[in-house]
Amino acid sequence: QVQLQQWGAGLLKPSETLSLTCAVYGESFSGYYWSWIRQPPGKGLEWIGEINHSGIANLKSSLKSRVTLSVDTSKNQFSLKLNSVTAADTGVYYCARREGGRPLDYWGQGTLVTVSS
Amino acid sequence: DIQMTQSPSSLSASVGDRVTITCRASQGIRNDLGWYRQKPGKAPKRLIYAASTLQSGVPSRFSGSGSGTEFTLTISSLQPEDFATYYCLQHNSYPVTFGQGTKLEIE
Repeated sequence: QVQLQQWGAGLLKPSETLSLTCAVYGESFSGYYWSWIRQPPGKGLEWIGEINHSGIANLKSSLKSRVTLSVDTSKNQFSLKLNSVTAADTGVYYCARREGGRPLDYWGQGTLVTVSS
Repeated sequence: DIQMTQSPSSLSASVGDRVTITCRASQGIRNDLGWYRQKPGKAPKRLIYAASTLQSGVPSRFSGSGSGTEFTLTISSLQPEDFATYYCLQHNSYPVTFGQGTKLEIE
């Protein structure tokens, strides 16, 4: 059974860097795309980007200048860094898996990140 | 970016009702579309992929159809656990985009 477990700091001040990590259990890390999605409070879902096991990433263009995705294949983990956060970056952040040719299937439990001074 | 327009944005219905949610893409996406159900405080759950293929373990009351720019999700007989928010997602081209969601409420 595939499981994604995520963690990271939940309270940030403006201008700080959001850092989240997602660990993958029960499945090979290679052959999939590993994604990040966020959801502002009471709003819809926004795709942030995805990365494969080789470290090749695709990012939403409006976030590209602030986002870094990385993978650690030795630990079956992938990570998101979002710098210079503002209140607009507040929300629940999810990690998820995508198989080539199919939409996101397995999701992490979500991490609430609040940006406040 | 491909815009996904979902309708309606909210819907009131009763247990046992049949409901349909529509998603329109701003350009053709073949059948590169999935449907998700999200309950409050939980991650979305995939119901349908490839526009019409039922995810393993998902009840057969859920069905999807469409190709190109217009897609539908139908729930044939609503159950209490179906009152939630539904999203479509296109993965035909980057960036991956979601519809804005349809909140299904008890009438």
